[in-house]
Amino acid sequence: QLQLQESGPGLVKPSETLSLTCIVSGDSVSSRGYYWGWVRQPPGKGLEWIGTGSGHYNPSLKSRVTISVDTSKNQFSLKLSSVTAADTAVYYCAKILFWFREIDYWGQGTLVTVSS
Amino acid sequence: QSALTQPASVSGSPGQSITISCTGTSSDVGGYNYVSWYQQHTGKAPKPIIYDVTNRPSGVSNRFSGSKSGNTASLTISGLQAEDEADYYCSSYRTGDALVFGGGTKLTVL
Repeated sequence: QLQLQESGPGLVKPSETLSLTCIVSGDSVSSRGYYWGWVRQPPGKGLEWIGTGSGHYNPSLKSRVTISVDTSKNQFSLKLSSVTAADTAVYYCAKILFWFREIDYWGQGTLVTVSS
Repeated sequence: QSALTQPASVSGSPGQSITISCTGTSSDVGGYNYVSWYQQHTGKAPKPIIYDVTNRPSGVSNRFSGSKSGNTASLTISGLQAEDEADYYCSSYRTGDALVFGGGTKLTVL
């Protein structure tokens, strides 16, 4: 059974870079047919797609986002630069079928707060 | 990028049916059969309940069904149960290799 687990700091200072890692177990990040990506949800608000490790990014975040896949560690990572309070959210890592047909597996989510 | 449009809230009594709409454009909902729906209970990760407009993942109740007409997709829940009370989100592939979500709909079971 596939499991995704996010890890990283829960508190980031404004203007700094948010960094999260998603550890994948039960599947290989090298497998074909799907993407590994990130979705976030500000407190009390809706879902927002961030991007995938295959180079697809939300246009509104593209200039600040880097998503990379590490096949040697079977994990993938998110970096979001120049954060502000508006980036405070629960961040989910996810497995996404090609054509974004379905996000069939989600991590449990991790809350990242941007505050000094 | 602009989100897909969903009603903020819907409600229904146990046993009734409700429908949640998800309106986009010809660049997303109307142009591709890649609409999916997610159920999210408070404090939990979203759970997929519909993909490719009409298909249910294994283990999802057949009380959940999806459809699409033009630029609007719909999720219908029949035989409402208390456990269906949750937030529901639609998503769609968008031209240019992007994913877009709806704003979410809060379902209240009266």
